[in-house]
Amino acid sequence: DVKVTQSSRYLVKRTGEKVFLECVQDMDHENMFWYRQDPGLGLRLIYFSYDVKMKEKGDIPEGYSVSREKKERFSLILESASTNQTSMYLCASKKRADIYEQYFGPGTRLTVT
Amino acid sequence: ILNVEQSPQSLHVQEGDSTNFTCSFPSSNFYALHWYRWETAKSPEALFVMTLNGDEKKKGRISATLNTKEGYSYLYIKGSQPEDSATYLCALSGNTPLVFGKGTRLSVIA
Repeated sequence: DVKVTQSSRYLVKRTGEKVFLECVQDMDHENMFWYRQDPGLGLRLIYFSYDVKMKEKGDIPEGYSVSREKKERFSLILESASTNQTSMYLCASKKRADIYEQYFGPGTRLTVT
Repeated sequence: ILNVEQSPQSLHVQEGDSTNFTCSFPSSNFYALHWYRWETAKSPEALFVMTLNGDEKKKGRISATLNTKEGYSYLYIKGSQPEDSATYLCALSGNTPLVFGKGTRLSVIA
């Protein structure tokens, strides 16, 4: 079974803090993704990576950065957390070709106060 | 930018009712369509990946059809059960990451 794990289920941070969200997958997937999910807005893509050390901006990259130093790990970084970054963050991974299923982690509910 | 539309946005049905909802997408440059089920407090779970026009897939009481020429897919649930309550997402894949619709939120009332 593919497993995508995220470092925390719930996280509370203060405005201005630097926040790291970690994602690890154990199936040697090339592609990894970070989304946020907000009521009424669906899943929105923040950043993605097609391979180690590669990163691409998604639809809403502002205020975020990412790091992919190892194939199995994809980190999302909030350089200076703000209240409008309070959200559910989902990590996902898949094999390279488009027809393959994408597997999601359990999500991290981040609250910025 | 690809636009994937899902309708209805939410749906309440009685236990035992059958139901269906729609995913619409641009028919040009189609590659594959994905359906996911997302239960509260869980990860989205893949249901189907469909690639061919006229494709029909089934998993238990859930089935899906695909029409790539007119740009839509239907998801059907036969004899809805309370455990079917979830948000159902469709997503389109091409040369870019999956593009998700906003989902249909299904509530099955016992």
